[in-house]
Amino acid sequence: GESVGLHLPTLSVQEGDNSIINCAYSNSASDYFIWYKQESGKGPQFIIDIRSNMDKRQGQRVTVLLNKTVKHLSLQIAATQPGDSAVYFCAEVRGAGSYQLTFGKGTKLSVIP
Amino acid sequence: DTEVTQTPKHLVMGMTNKKSLKCEQHMGHRAMYWYKQKAKKPPELMFVYSYEKLSINESVPSRFSPECPNSSLLNLHLHALQPEDSALYLCASSQDGTGTIADQPQHFGDGTRLSIL
Repeated sequence: GESVGLHLPTLSVQEGDNSIINCAYSNSASDYFIWYKQESGKGPQFIIDIRSNMDKRQGQRVTVLLNKTVKHLSLQIAATQPGDSAVYFCAEVRGAGSYQLTFGKGTKLSVIP
Repeated sequence: DTEVTQTPKHLVMGMTNKKSLKCEQHMGHRAMYWYKQKAKKPPELMFVYSYEKLSINESVPSRFSPECPNSSLLNLHLHALQPEDSALYLCASSQDGTGTIADQPQHFGDGTRLSIL
């Protein structure tokens, strides 16, 4: 069925390096995407979002890129820090007015000091 | 600290018990959600309330009964649960569920970790 998924389940990055977390989606009707960070013992924390009429959006140390042609989403974290260690989920909302978030499988990011 | 508060943080109950999970937000959000998250899995949507009315039930068994007493509170009543219901139960809220969804991310609480004996 249609779903949001991730290319890599785990990612190890040296502290100070940049991290790139990828996400593939299959529903071309999806028009809003969100990245969440989930630390151990906590709920998902909103990081950044992007609408389908954009291809790039930047936040503090994070950038989300959207390629609608290949249905690909990525999260770039600059100067990765130990506090960035967590599981990262991409999520999609399918259609305006929809309440329903569909989450990808998650990527566990480990930062090596 | 999250702006969505869930209590209790941990709950252990037997299969014959009745308990309730509580969720509270004071951001003025009018859509509230319950999710279930198993270990090493993404959250799965259970229920959606919009303006205090149940708008989505994702075919959840009747042993889970949601309630939205007012715009700030969301409860999940539990009765006769099964061991496979052990999971992290997450509450979320978003500004509005109607009209454009622009800039309306869902904000999550830290969940209630539920264990069924």
